[in-house]
Amino acid sequence: GAVVSQHPSWVICKSGTSVKIECRSLDFQATTMFWYRQFPKQSLMLMATSNEGSKATYEQGVEKDKFLINHASLTLSTLTVTSAHPEDSSFYICSARLAAGGELFFGEGSRLTVL
Amino acid sequence: QQQVKQSPQSLIVQKGGISIINCAYENTAFDYFPWYQQFPGKGPALLIAIRPDVSEKKEGRFTISFNKSAKQFSLHIMDSQPGDSATYFCAARAGSYQLTFGKGTKLSVIP
Repeated sequence: GAVVSQHPSWVICKSGTSVKIECRSLDFQATTMFWYRQFPKQSLMLMATSNEGSKATYEQGVEKDKFLINHASLTLSTLTVTSAHPEDSSFYICSARLAAGGELFFGEGSRLTVL
Repeated sequence: QQQVKQSPQSLIVQKGGISIINCAYENTAFDYFPWYQQFPGKGPALLIAIRPDVSEKKEGRFTISFNKSAKQFSLHIMDSQPGDSATYFCAARAGSYQLTFGKGTKLSVIP
């Protein structure tokens, strides 16, 4: 199947700093990428949907100024957690699909720990 | 109406046994039902998926059974192995909309 790569796989940062997580589709061009957040022993919670070249669509309750999403190319989307706080500590997962209605491919996830 | 209800929350099965995880939905517009397998610290991986025009799909030891009238679908893992121990998520999607996930089932296969 198609490969979606996330980087970094884990990151530890101090409170107040910003952290950027990259999501790349390695062998296909992703028209749409999704960002999820997953708390321990819970399901995936969709944060936002990003289409290449346009602004991301955020789910209700997700602060767009807190979680900046950029989808500048068909193979790269980035999630920046700005002014991170301990409550932002979580497992962030991206996914990508080639076309509407197509199969969804997930990245390996990025574990963020904010001290 | 967007919910997908998954049960059980956790499941312990002996090696060689059959693992069964069930999901139910309300939205009749859902037309794609995938199952994902997630190991600790990893992203979900697509295991098997079904569309409502068939009642069953089998891939190796994994089978999806789909009951359109009851709005239920289930995952059966035959001859369960310790390596199958993971969290399994059912999901559903209507057209090009995003996936709606179940809450997950933690499967433990004991030797």
